[in-house]
Amino acid sequence: QVQLVQSGAEVKKPGASVKVSCQASGYTFTDYFIHWVRQVPGQGLDWMGWINPNNGHTKYAQKFQGRVTMTRDTSISTAYMKLSRLRSDDTAIYYCARVVGGLDSWGQGTLVTVSS
Amino acid sequence: DIQMTQSPSTLSASVGDRVTITCRASQSISAWLAWYQQRPGKAPKLLIYDASTLESGVPSRFSGSGSGTEFTLTISSLQPDDFATYYCQQYNTFWTFGQGTKVEIK
Repeated sequence: QVQLVQSGAEVKKPGASVKVSCQASGYTFTDYFIHWVRQVPGQGLDWMGWINPNNGHTKYAQKFQGRVTMTRDTSISTAYMKLSRLRSDDTAIYYCARVVGGLDSWGQGTLVTVSS
Repeated sequence: DIQMTQSPSTLSASVGDRVTITCRASQSISAWLAWYQQRPGKAPKLLIYDASTLESGVPSRFSGSGSGTEFTLTISSLQPDDFATYYCQQYNTFWTFGQGTKVEIK
């Protein structure tokens, strides 16, 4: 079955960067876009952007432009999301999700805590 | 940016109730809308896409309707598993989520 498995929780200091991975299995990785969504604990969902694993093309939400970079490694069916210049308000759970219609399969989420 | 506004923010209901959640877009999004359910501590789950297409495996008590700027998610007979938070999401231009509607036990 389709699975997206994300990397483990991270603790970072303000100003640092974090890179979260999302390994796909159970389908052809290059056939479907991967999106990244974050959720501050207790709050709503915030769309960050997408990557086309077939060609590496990306589109980012305006609020993350300049700080987010999405990449992929097709040899290991893995997508990555790097967020730079971290601030305390970037503390959130970061999800990857596959697009089929809507976001039909989600990773388990990666908690990123930004604290000095 | 397209803004998505859900109402109500919180809804109190009982098992067996018919429940309707509304989502309004700040501009027309045709039928490019999805609905998700999220239980505490879990990733969201896709219920409906393209405004009214039921995702495979989702119970038929869930239905979606609307086009343009106004959309609804209806649960025909609320079940215990349905107490959760629901989000709409547009994918006409970039992607945007509504702020969520929490369905609570009355």
